[in-house]
Amino acid sequence: SFELTQPPSVSVSPGQTASITCSGDRLGDRYVFWYQQKPGHSPVLVIYQDSNRPSGIPERFSGSNSANTATLTISGTQTLDEADYYCQAWGAGTAVFGPGTKVTVL
Amino acid sequence: EVQLVQSGAEVKKPGESLRISCKGSGYRFSSFWITWVRQMPGKGLEWMGTIDPSDTYTNYWPSFHGHVTIAADESTNTAYLQWTSLKASDTAMYYCARHKDGSSTSSFDYWGQGSLVAVS
Repeated sequence: SFELTQPPSVSVSPGQTASITCSGDRLGDRYVFWYQQKPGHSPVLVIYQDSNRPSGIPERFSGSNSANTATLTISGTQTLDEADYYCQAWGAGTAVFGPGTKVTVL
Repeated sequence: EVQLVQSGAEVKKPGESLRISCKGSGYRFSSFWITWVRQMPGKGLEWMGTIDPSDTYTNYWPSFHGHVTIAADESTNTAYLQWTSLKASDTAMYYCARHKDGSSTSSFDYWGQGSLVAVS
């Protein structure tokens, strides 16, 4: 199978833009999904198929995927966006999660 | 409203067996694959395997295959994750999640609240 790599942490000031990367071999050839998980809560899908937002997810969340890197972008970051973010993709019928990125808003 | 409701926390001893459940409601259970995800204390998400409730076809991540069994009962809209012999290293939160779009390789759009398993 393959592996996904994410930075362990990202810090952002309120109102600024946070970018979280997810890297993997030829990742651009696969769909990438992004999940937000706050402490003590179940994960929430925030982006599917690289760049689509599920109903109820704010417009400030966007995604892209090209070559070997997918990116989750949070524009106008709010304190409530502080959470762990995981990318996920499929390979040979099995799902792989990235190690997660802790986003701190300060 | 789509919901996945999981069974409660369990405290078990090494070597014991266990089955935890995930009951779906608010949608046609047989039309959407169910996945199980492990989260060890303070760690990230790990995909364990998936099941198609319509025919109980399963697919596992290699490191979990043979140690856990994923099952589903269409008549009760319930998916299961079971162990025959627990280890201390099975201590974790376990989540079930529904596959979006009814595809075997889609995203996970609804998640259960998690079932905490402690083995000691």
